[in-house]
Amino acid sequence: AQSVAQPEDQVNVAEGNPLTVKCTYSVSGNPYLFWYVQYPNRGLQFLLKYITGDNLVKGSYGFEAEFNKSQTSFHLKKPSALVSDSALYFCAGRDASGGSDIPTFGRGTSLIVHP
Amino acid sequence: DAGVIQSPRHEVTEMGQEVTLRCKPISGHDYLFWYRQTMMRGLELLIYFNNNVPIDDSGMPEDRFSAKMPNASFSTLKIQPSEPRDSAVYFCASSFRIHEAFFGQGTRLTVV
Repeated sequence: AQSVAQPEDQVNVAEGNPLTVKCTYSVSGNPYLFWYVQYPNRGLQFLLKYITGDNLVKGSYGFEAEFNKSQTSFHLKKPSALVSDSALYFCAGRDASGGSDIPTFGRGTSLIVHP
Repeated sequence: DAGVIQSPRHEVTEMGQEVTLRCKPISGHDYLFWYRQTMMRGLELLIYFNNNVPIDDSGMPEDRFSAKMPNASFSTLKIQPSEPRDSAVYFCASSFRIHEAFFGQGTRLTVV
């Protein structure tokens, strides 16, 4: 069975400061991991993904995520937060070697960036 | 491509009425997903299709819910009869194989 956990319901950060949104995963094989963002009254938008290769993945809007196999984590990061980054963030993951597995989503983390 | 298109964007209906939500996936995508989002339960996968065939409907809450995909460019989610607890935002998403999914804008359903 696969699972994804986002341990924080909410993250608060001041504008200009670095931000981290945490995600841990549990899959039986090699992980295939995603981050999505949801702005108010909108659908989820894909930000970035990790399949294989470099542990640091760069995505849209200046976001990046670091894959850490030993800690089974895939934390989302941004060096300098913007007020416009305030949104709901979802981590998702699946077993890359499982041909028919579909991604499991975390419960989401609300990011609030204060001016 | 215009992305995943859902209709209607908002639906208000009375308890007991039939509700039909519609989705047009991105052309060329072979997977289609229906999700429901509420504050209490978060994002729930209801059902997904692969090449128009329903693969897993274990997330469909009750027999009142049904989904169809008659062709590669159209899917419906039907609730009959609707109940107030069905009030939620319903999302359709599509993907090529099982890569990143593209979500529609959602349908906000209110059952009164």
